[in-house]
Order: sequence, then structure tokens, then C-alpha cells
Amino acid sequence: GDSVTQMEGPVTLSEEAFLTINCTYTATGYPSLFWYVQYPGEGLQLLLKATKADDKGSNKGFEATYRKETTSFHLEKGSVQVSDSAVYFCALRTGTASKLTFGTGTRLQVTL
Amino acid sequence: DTGVSQNPRHKITKRGQNVTFRCDPISEHNRLYWYRQTLGQGPEFLTYFQNEAQLEKSRLLSDRFSAERPKGSFSTLEIQRTEQGDSAMYLCASSLTLGLAEETQYFGPGTRLLVL
Repeated sequence: GDSVTQMEGPVTLSEEAFLTINCTYTATGYPSLFWYVQYPGEGLQLLLKATKADDKGSNKGFEATYRKETTSFHLEKGSVQVSDSAVYFCALRTGTASKLTFGTGTRLQVTL
Repeated sequence: DTGVSQNPRHKITKRGQNVTFRCDPISEHNRLYWYRQTLGQGPEFLTYFQNEAQLEKSRLLSDRFSAERPKGSFSTLEIQRTEQGDSAMYLCASSLTLGLAEETQYFGPGTRLLVL
């Protein structure tokens, strides 16, 4: 079945550091890929998405590129802020299926 | 606020009791989803509706769980004879899907269930 594997957290960075959160997937067919973010006390929010190979999703300074050859969708940001502290979830959706399959989440803590 | 809303936000119950959660999706969204999230894990799909029709149910949805969306608007998720293993955050999401184009799923804040 479909699955998503994320790097384990927590990830602790100083403000303005470079961020990478790894995400790899296993799926039948050609999935759409997503990053969701969950800020403390809030619901999941879509951060960015990519629907086909080599697409790059971007939002709020975050980027991720759909790499079919490595089945990866790593999240990056050049300079993190304290306000980026949250839990980040990688997810996929395959074909005409509607359900999202999530990874276990990676907690990011950014300090001054 | 026009986002997805869920009630109650927190529920504590004793093992064996029945509980019901409600989800109000974004107005005019035709799809509504239920997910369950346990501590340290990502959300897991339970079921979804298109309008009032329940189109898919996960194997996670045992016969103690039932979901309805009677008028294609709000939905309820009922858990009968709760067990301690049912303790989790129950998330609702909605989307507007036209034809084969699946749009973004917007999530509510969740209902946190604790079964004692």
C-alpha cells in the first residue's frame, strides 16, 4: 500500500538557519504530494503541493520538488524564523483516490 | 469564520460509553473526510462522503464506528462502546471536488477524545 516516510524529529535550529525535512514515499501510480503544517493549538494547514514529477511547490519561503526518480519530496527553507516552529507532515494522494496518506510528522523548533 | 468547525473540541468519557462528534464543513464543499490522529503519528483516513453518500471506509473503521452526513452538509461520527484505544484526535476535513479534479482538503481543529 501507499506509505510516506519522514525524518524523525524534533529538529532544532537557530533562527536564520537552513531547513531540510526529508520525505520519501511509496505509492502505486503517480501520486500528488503535499506538505501540511500544524501550528500549536491549530488545525492542519496546506503549506504546498506538487502534482507531477519535477513540479516545485512553494509557499511562505518553503519549497519542495517532486522527484520521481528518488521518490522524494523534501521540504526546504533558506532561513527559518521562530514563527516556523510547528509540526510538518508530508502526505500523498494517488490517482482518483480521495484520501490523504500522511507521514508521522516532524516537529521543528526554531530558537533565537 | 468560514473554516471547518468541529464540536466538541474536547471530550472525556468512560470506557463503554457512546460519544458523538460533529463536523461542519466549509459551505458548499461537497466532500467531507474523517481522519484519526494518535499521539506522535500522522492522521489516518477513516471515511469520506461526497454530498450525503459515504463512498469509502477504512478498515480502521470498526463496526463500533458510524458516520453520517444526512443532508450533505454537516457530518457526525459516533463511537459506540468506547475503548481506551479510541483515545485520539478526530479530524474532519472538507473539499470542493468537481469532476475528477480533487481540490485542497481543509482541516478543522479536531476533537480530542480521552477514554478513561
